[in-house]
Amino acid sequence: GENVEQHPSTLSVQEGDSAVIKCTYSDSASNYFPWYKQELGKRPQLIIDIRSNVGEKKDQRIAVTLNKTAKHFSLHITETQPEDSAVYFCAASLGGGAGNQFYFGTGTSLTVIP
Amino acid sequence: NAGVMQNPRHLVRRRGQEARLRCSPMKGHSHVYWYRQLPEEGLKFMVYLQKENIIDESGMPKERFSAEFPKEGPSILRIQQVVRGDSAAYFCASSRTGADNEQFFGPGTRLTVL
Repeated sequence: GENVEQHPSTLSVQEGDSAVIKCTYSDSASNYFPWYKQELGKRPQLIIDIRSNVGEKKDQRIAVTLNKTAKHFSLHITETQPEDSAVYFCAASLGGGAGNQFYFGTGTSLTVIP
Repeated sequence: NAGVMQNPRHLVRRRGQEARLRCSPMKGHSHVYWYRQLPEEGLKFMVYLQKENIIDESGMPKERFSAEFPKEGPSILRIQQVVRGDSAAYFCASSRTGADNEQFFGPGTRLTVL
């Protein structure tokens, strides 16, 4: 089955700096890669996603890049703010039919220092 | 426009008892996914269901765990003879179809086994 690895496990940045979280996946058939933000005691919330036919996607301060050949994808947060502090999870999915479930990375705890 | 609903939000059981966790998907969604999150860990896929059908249960322990999604009513995750290691947050997510990648998560059920 799919195996997703995520680094780093913890990340501290100064407010206004950028944060980068990296994930690798093992199954080359995976074609959908969402990122979720989870605040303490809350549900995971989708913040951005990318499909395998796209190399990069941006939404305001958040961007995701995908390298299918190397089987890795990254989350970039620019101009970080204290409210960005949370745990971020990457995931991979085969998509469609029996493969629509997500395989998650182990999470990155991001702390933005004011 | 209600989101994914889960109940109960908190459940306390003694070792050997049964736990029943319920998930009502978003309106119009017919696919449900259950994930387990152990303390300080990521989300692990357990089971993927469509109405009256289990699509993939490869992530669910073979013993004591079962899941269903009947034609009417919520999806149920059932854990028989609970043990302390079952203590975790159990999240369900739903998608509109099996080809629809985006999954929306419920608030989770936090199970504590005494």
